[in-house]
Amino acid sequence: AAGVIQSPRHLIKEKRETATLKCYPIPRHDTVYWYQQGPGQDPQFLISFYEKMQSDKGSIPDRFSAQQFSDYHSELNMSSLELGDSALYFCASSVTGNTKNIQYFGAGTRLSVL
Amino acid sequence: AQSVTQLDSQVPVFEEAPVELRCNYSSSVSVYLFWYVQYPNQGLQLLLKYLSGSTLVKGINGFEAEFNKSQTSFHLRKPSVHISDTAEYFCAVSFYSGTYKYIFGTGTRLKVLA
Repeated sequence: AAGVIQSPRHLIKEKRETATLKCYPIPRHDTVYWYQQGPGQDPQFLISFYEKMQSDKGSIPDRFSAQQFSDYHSELNMSSLELGDSALYFCASSVTGNTKNIQYFGAGTRLSVL
Repeated sequence: AQSVTQLDSQVPVFEEAPVELRCNYSSSVSVYLFWYVQYPNQGLQLLLKYLSGSTLVKGINGFEAEFNKSQTSFHLRKPSVHISDTAEYFCAVSFYSGTYKYIFGTGTRLKVLA
């Protein structure tokens, strides 16, 4: 079965650079979520989109922005990168209906800021 | 407010021994409960879920969990672990508050010893 696809898997950037992470949800899933997982930490919710509209916002820095496109894929844009942004970034997708918001996660993008 | 507590940050256990990973939650609304497993350098994989019905749920890889409403717990168990079960395990709750939200516990690192 198709899963959530994230690209790239690894990304190395320097301070003050920008980064774009991409997420392709499971086909027919209409909701996308972004999470940040620091070393030894649990995933922290950043932002979510339902039908291309922002549906919820968590602890996302102002330097970050995201959007969901007409094909339901989503991109997380990160500017003015800081060392503390080094983390594993997960995307998850779900479909509304009777599945009670079961979120399926991608393999993540590991961002290293040098 | 909702919260998830995983009391054990690390659980060492010998191969073929039983294991229980504890998860307690606090919520003023109905929740759905999940366990995810994260192998080293990989994404989050859904292990099992409790949505409704039977309080004993079975998941992949021989794991099972029991929902106990009175004790607000959702402990994960396996009767006989393998080396390959070494991973980080996250308990999560989902609840509806305008949108569906997920909260993760801080994770339990299961280390299976030979």
